[in-house]
Amino acid sequence: GAGVSQSPSNKVTEKGKDVELRCDPISGHTALYWYRQSLGQGLEFLIYFQGNSAPDKSGLPSDRFSAERTGGSVSTLTIQRTQQEDSAVYLCASSLQGALRDAKGYTFGSGTRLTVV
Amino acid sequence: AQKITQTQPGMFVQEKEAVTLDCTYDTSDPSYGLFWYKQPSSGEMIFLIYQGSYDQQNATEGRYSLNFQKARKSANLVISASQLGDSAMYFCAMRVYNQGGKLIFGQGTELSVKP
Repeated sequence: GAGVSQSPSNKVTEKGKDVELRCDPISGHTALYWYRQSLGQGLEFLIYFQGNSAPDKSGLPSDRFSAERTGGSVSTLTIQRTQQEDSAVYLCASSLQGALRDAKGYTFGSGTRLTVV
Repeated sequence: AQKITQTQPGMFVQEKEAVTLDCTYDTSDPSYGLFWYKQPSSGEMIFLIYQGSYDQQNATEGRYSLNFQKARKSANLVISASQLGDSAMYFCAMRVYNQGGKLIFGQGTELSVKP
């Protein structure tokens, strides 16, 4: 697609429920990143995919968080047993390759605003 | 550990004046990149400017310039001739190249441009 697409744009869920957030990167972009932005805060790195593998998942805050990427394209971030502190905007970004210097290729989606009630 | 620090939670500037947003960073790795992003109230992240650790000259992109002082580990963003549309959150970020593609972000500075 023309840009990074994330769905849903907004999600309200009850505490304890599982949620799935989807990211559809720009076609041909091999690197994909998930970030979390809590209200009024900077972006917190969660996980990085190169193709279908995740060489860096150091930012996942707990084992309730997991992510996968299939076909080198769409990625799903799953949060199990959601807690109120999981409420945030989850941003996805993609780039042509993960280790290149060209930050202009690092394109963000519009994010999913998750609210846990 | 790598870290980005933005010490100005909020800034005000008069329209048409210049403004400097501060950013300091910490890394022991010699190969890194520094970035500035703009986030308007719509929430999208907009890339503004990039500076590589080995670049000899300060980066410029239109009204944006990056004041890179390597010895002081600072990478301040200068916006010249501020416009009302510049009102937004501004984030400084760093990428260390032997650690893949992830960016480490600062806490941001909220810039308000007054008419």
